[in-house]
Amino acid sequence: NAGVTQTPKFQVLKTGQSMTLQCAQDMNHEYMSWYRQDPGMGLRLIHYSVGAGITDQGEVPNGYNVSRSTTEDFPLRLLSAAPSQTSVYFCASSTSGRTDTQYFGPGTRLTVL
Amino acid sequence: QKEVEQDPGPLSVPEGAIVSLNCTYSNSAFQYFMWYRQYSRKGPELLMYTYSSGNKEDGRFTAQVDKSSKYISLFIRDSQPSDSATYLCAMKRGNRDDKIIFGKGTRLHILP
Repeated sequence: NAGVTQTPKFQVLKTGQSMTLQCAQDMNHEYMSWYRQDPGMGLRLIHYSVGAGITDQGEVPNGYNVSRSTTEDFPLRLLSAAPSQTSVYFCASSTSGRTDTQYFGPGTRLTVL
Repeated sequence: QKEVEQDPGPLSVPEGAIVSLNCTYSNSAFQYFMWYRQYSRKGPELLMYTYSSGNKEDGRFTAQVDKSSKYISLFIRDSQPSDSATYLCAMKRGNRDDKIIFGKGTRLHILP
Protein backbone atom coordinates (compact mmCIF):
# COMPACT_ATOMS: atom_id res chain seq x y z
CA ASN A 1 0.00 0.00 0.00
CA ALA A 2 1.22 3.47 -0.87
CA GLY A 3 -0.89 5.00 1.93
CA VAL A 4 -1.67 8.69 1.38
CA THR A 5 0.08 10.31 -1.56
CA GLN A 6 0.22 14.00 -2.44
CA THR A 7 1.37 15.80 -5.56
CA PRO A 8 3.18 18.00 -6.21
CA LYS A 9 5.77 18.08 -3.40
CA PHE A 10 6.64 21.71 -4.10
CA GLN A 11 4.88 24.47 -6.00
CA VAL A 12 5.48 28.17 -6.59
CA LEU A 13 2.57 30.28 -7.81
CA LYS A 14 2.05 33.90 -8.64
CA THR A 15 -0.73 35.85 -6.99
CA GLY A 16 -4.02 35.23 -8.78
CA GLN A 17 -3.06 31.90 -10.32
CA SER A 18 -5.15 28.81 -9.65
CA MET A 19 -4.02 25.27 -9.08
CA THR A 20 -5.10 21.91 -7.70
CA LEU A 21 -3.28 19.97 -5.02
CA GLN A 22 -3.81 16.26 -5.50
CA CYS A 23 -4.40 13.72 -2.72
CA ALA A 24 -5.03 10.00 -3.09
CA GLN A 25 -5.25 7.08 -0.69
CA ASP A 26 -5.38 3.35 -1.32
CA MET A 27 -6.67 2.22 2.08
CA ASN A 28 -10.39 2.50 1.20
CA HIS A 29 -10.82 5.18 3.88
CA GLU A 30 -14.12 7.02 3.96
CA TYR A 31 -12.85 10.09 5.81
CA MET A 32 -10.38 12.47 4.13
CA SER A 33 -9.25 15.93 5.12
CA TRP A 34 -6.97 18.81 4.19
CA TYR A 35 -4.90 20.76 6.69
CA ARG A 36 -2.51 23.65 6.38
CA GLN A 37 0.47 24.03 8.68
CA ASP A 38 1.99 27.43 9.31
CA PRO A 39 4.80 28.37 11.73
CA GLY A 40 3.35 29.17 15.12
CA MET A 41 -0.18 28.19 14.03
CA GLY A 42 -0.14 24.42 14.13
CA LEU A 43 -2.35 22.30 11.90
CA ARG A 44 -5.63 23.87 10.83
CA LEU A 45 -8.44 22.03 9.09
CA ILE A 46 -9.44 23.45 5.69
CA HIS A 47 -12.06 21.02 4.36
CA TYR A 48 -13.03 17.45 5.02
CA SER A 49 -15.12 14.67 3.51
CA VAL A 50 -16.89 11.76 5.20
CA GLY A 51 -17.42 9.89 1.94
CA ALA A 52 -17.73 10.21 -1.82
CA GLY A 53 -20.00 13.10 -2.74
CA ILE A 54 -19.95 14.62 0.76
CA THR A 55 -17.72 17.53 1.77
CA ASP A 56 -17.81 20.15 4.49
CA GLN A 57 -15.86 23.16 5.67
CA GLY A 58 -13.27 23.15 8.38
CA GLU A 59 -11.71 25.99 10.32
CA VAL A 60 -10.12 27.95 7.43
CA PRO A 61 -12.04 27.18 4.19
CA ASN A 62 -11.95 30.58 2.47
CA GLY A 63 -10.11 30.57 -0.86
CA TYR A 64 -10.24 26.79 -1.22
CA ASN A 65 -12.63 24.36 -2.92
CA VAL A 66 -12.85 20.59 -2.67
CA SER A 67 -14.79 17.79 -4.27
CA ARG A 68 -14.93 14.05 -3.63
CA SER A 69 -16.08 12.11 -6.67
CA THR A 70 -14.35 8.86 -5.65
CA THR A 71 -13.36 7.26 -2.35
CA GLU A 72 -9.69 7.40 -3.30
CA ASP A 73 -9.21 11.03 -4.36
CA PHE A 74 -9.74 14.34 -2.60
CA PRO A 75 -8.25 17.28 -4.56
CA LEU A 76 -7.90 20.76 -3.07
CA ARG A 77 -8.34 23.69 -5.44
CA LEU A 78 -6.94 27.17 -4.90
CA LEU A 79 -9.17 29.47 -6.89
CA SER A 80 -7.03 32.64 -6.95
CA ALA A 81 -3.80 32.20 -5.01
CA ALA A 82 -2.81 34.82 -2.45
CA PRO A 83 0.46 35.21 -0.49
CA SER A 84 -1.49 34.34 2.69
CA GLN A 85 -1.93 30.84 1.24
CA THR A 86 1.81 30.20 1.39
CA SER A 87 1.95 27.16 3.63
CA VAL A 88 2.55 23.43 3.86
CA TYR A 89 -0.57 21.46 2.98
CA PHE A 90 -1.27 18.00 4.35
CA CYS A 91 -3.92 15.55 3.28
CA ALA A 92 -5.06 12.88 5.73
CA SER A 93 -7.41 9.92 5.73
CA SER A 94 -8.99 7.52 8.19
CA THR A 95 -11.72 4.95 8.44
CA SER A 96 -15.16 6.31 9.15
CA GLY A 97 -15.59 7.30 12.76
CA ARG A 98 -11.87 7.13 13.50
CA THR A 99 -10.55 10.62 12.86
CA ASP A 100 -8.35 10.01 15.89
CA THR A 101 -6.21 7.62 13.82
CA GLN A 102 -5.65 9.64 10.68
CA TYR A 103 -2.83 8.81 8.28
CA PHE A 104 -1.11 11.87 6.85
CA GLY A 105 0.48 12.36 3.46
CA PRO A 106 3.99 13.79 3.00
CA GLY A 107 2.76 17.31 2.32
CA THR A 108 2.90 19.92 -0.44
CA ARG A 109 4.99 23.05 0.13
CA LEU A 110 3.30 25.96 -1.61
CA THR A 111 4.76 29.42 -2.06
CA VAL A 112 2.64 32.23 -3.49
CA LEU A 113 4.59 35.24 -4.70
CA GLN B 1 -8.01 31.20 25.96
CA LYS B 2 -7.03 28.87 23.11
CA GLU B 3 -8.62 25.42 23.14
CA VAL B 4 -5.25 23.65 23.21
CA GLU B 5 -2.01 25.14 24.50
CA GLN B 6 1.41 23.63 23.86
CA ASP B 7 4.83 25.13 24.53
CA PRO B 8 6.63 25.38 21.16
CA GLY B 9 10.08 24.86 22.63
CA PRO B 10 12.65 24.07 21.40
CA LEU B 11 13.41 21.59 24.14
CA SER B 12 16.96 20.22 24.19
CA VAL B 13 17.88 17.27 26.39
CA PRO B 14 20.88 14.90 26.50
CA GLU B 15 20.59 11.40 25.09
CA GLY B 16 19.24 8.93 27.64
CA ALA B 17 17.25 11.51 29.60
CA ILE B 18 13.53 11.29 30.32
CA VAL B 19 11.56 13.78 28.26
CA SER B 20 8.27 15.27 29.39
CA LEU B 21 6.02 16.99 26.86
CA ASN B 22 2.75 18.61 27.91
CA CYS B 23 -0.44 20.21 26.70
CA THR B 24 -3.27 21.95 28.47
CA TYR B 25 -6.76 22.38 27.14
CA SER B 26 -9.86 24.34 28.02
CA ASN B 27 -12.75 22.27 26.62
CA SER B 28 -13.89 19.67 29.15
CA ALA B 29 -15.79 17.87 26.36
CA PHE B 30 -12.56 16.46 24.91
CA GLN B 31 -12.46 12.70 25.41
CA TYR B 32 -9.92 11.42 22.88
CA PHE B 33 -6.28 12.43 23.17
CA MET B 34 -3.49 11.82 20.71
CA TRP B 35 0.20 12.50 20.29
CA TYR B 36 1.68 12.84 16.82
CA ARG B 37 5.36 12.88 15.92
CA GLN B 38 6.49 14.93 12.94
CA TYR B 39 9.99 14.72 11.54
CA SER B 40 11.33 17.68 9.60
CA ARG B 41 9.66 18.05 6.19
CA LYS B 42 7.44 15.02 6.76
CA GLY B 43 3.77 14.48 7.58
CA PRO B 44 2.64 13.84 11.18
CA GLU B 45 2.42 10.22 12.28
CA LEU B 46 0.27 8.94 15.13
CA LEU B 47 2.39 7.96 18.11
CA MET B 48 -0.01 7.43 21.01
CA TYR B 49 -3.76 7.43 21.48
CA THR B 50 -5.74 7.42 24.72
CA TYR B 51 -9.39 7.64 25.63
CA SER B 52 -10.49 9.58 28.73
CA SER B 53 -8.22 9.71 31.77
CA GLY B 54 -5.37 7.41 32.69
CA ASN B 55 -2.04 6.18 31.42
CA LYS B 56 -1.02 4.26 28.34
CA GLU B 57 2.41 2.80 27.75
CA ASP B 58 4.01 1.70 24.48
CA GLY B 59 7.67 0.82 24.67
CA ARG B 60 9.62 3.90 25.73
CA PHE B 61 6.56 6.14 25.42
CA THR B 62 3.92 6.81 28.08
CA ALA B 63 0.88 9.02 27.58
CA GLN B 64 -0.97 10.44 30.57
CA VAL B 65 -4.32 12.19 30.66
CA ASP B 66 -5.60 14.12 33.68
CA LYS B 67 -9.08 15.32 32.75
CA SER B 68 -9.66 16.96 36.11
CA SER B 69 -6.71 19.29 35.46
CA LYS B 70 -7.26 19.39 31.66
CA TYR B 71 -3.63 18.36 31.22
CA ILE B 72 -2.01 15.70 29.07
CA SER B 73 1.59 14.53 28.97
CA LEU B 74 3.88 12.39 26.87
CA PHE B 75 6.94 10.87 28.51
CA ILE B 76 9.85 9.46 26.53
CA ARG B 77 12.25 7.23 28.46
CA ASP B 78 15.85 6.59 27.42
CA SER B 79 15.60 9.30 24.77
CA GLN B 80 17.49 8.74 21.52
CA PRO B 81 18.73 11.19 18.85
CA SER B 82 16.14 9.59 16.54
CA ASP B 83 13.42 10.99 18.85
CA SER B 84 14.37 14.50 17.69
CA ALA B 85 11.19 15.77 16.04
CA THR B 86 8.20 18.01 16.63
CA TYR B 87 5.53 16.46 18.86
CA LEU B 88 1.95 17.58 18.42
CA CYS B 89 -0.79 16.91 20.91
CA ALA B 90 -4.30 16.56 19.53
CA MET B 91 -7.74 15.91 20.93
CA LYS B 92 -11.37 15.59 19.97
CA ARG B 93 -14.75 15.52 21.65
CA GLY B 94 -17.07 12.71 20.64
CA ASN B 95 -16.60 9.65 18.55
CA ARG B 96 -17.26 9.33 14.85
CA ASP B 97 -15.91 12.00 12.55
CA ASP B 98 -15.56 14.80 15.03
CA LYS B 99 -12.86 17.32 14.14
CA ILE B 100 -9.47 17.05 15.77
CA ILE B 101 -7.94 20.10 17.45
CA PHE B 102 -4.14 20.17 17.31
CA GLY B 103 -1.65 21.88 19.56
CA LYS B 104 1.03 23.93 17.83
CA GLY B 105 3.73 21.35 18.53
CA THR B 106 6.89 21.20 20.65
CA ARG B 107 10.26 20.92 18.90
CA LEU B 108 12.46 18.38 20.67
CA HIS B 109 16.21 17.99 20.21
CA ILE B 110 18.01 15.01 21.73
CA LEU B 111 21.70 15.80 22.05
CA PRO B 112 24.11 12.86 21.44
